[in-house]
Amino acid sequence: DAKTTQPPSMDCAEGRAANLPCNHSTISGNEYVYWYRQIHSQGPQYIIHGLKNNETNEMASLIITEDRKSSTLILPHATLRDTAVYYCIVRVNTDKLIFGTGTRLQVFP
Amino acid sequence: ETGVTQTPRHLVMGMTNKKSLKCEQHLGHNAMYWYKQSAKKPLELMFVYSLEERVENNSVPSRFSPECPNSSHLFLHLHTLQPEDSALYLCASSQVDTVTRGYTFGSGTRLTVV
Repeated sequence: DAKTTQPPSMDCAEGRAANLPCNHSTISGNEYVYWYRQIHSQGPQYIIHGLKNNETNEMASLIITEDRKSSTLILPHATLRDTAVYYCIVRVNTDKLIFGTGTRLQVFP
Repeated sequence: ETGVTQTPRHLVMGMTNKKSLKCEQHLGHNAMYWYKQSAKKPLELMFVYSLEERVENNSVPSRFSPECPNSSHLFLHLHTLQPEDSALYLCASSQVDTVTRGYTFGSGTRLTVV
């Protein structure tokens, strides 16, 4: 079972920041937070992952609360191509990757 | 191109046919996976291969038969499928003994059973 809770859908205006929340209140100390996205009918694409500290790469930023019970994926300047389903997943590095229902992000012009 | 290649991209087959899906990874990973994604459903993990041995079979019907001849190749053999087996079948690979980016997915095979 997926151990995360995400809103089913969100909208974002093009050029604005998209902030996607994820609750993982039962996360264990050795579990990482991973984010993937799936553009329609394609395979999921890795975005970012983190353990405790905030992380940033060329695609996004990941903000993890101090108690690690929730996190936020930030797309700083959303484009139409960022329209996708975004999945938040918690796991230890040797675990299977189990997907929930994710958040469907719609970026509009 | 993600480093995981799936063929064919699309497949239409009758319920009495036998076909195979192929997956190849060029990333040097030591584990491979088959997922199924039916319309409007989350991805379902079907099979896990680690170091070429099947380590997990998530109650998948026997009409789906995986094969992993080496660490770079994974097949899914299909026979006597049902229309409800129509779905997007995704292959993924990973390196299980390190903290990495997790899984790398292929683009999938869109299967239609008629």
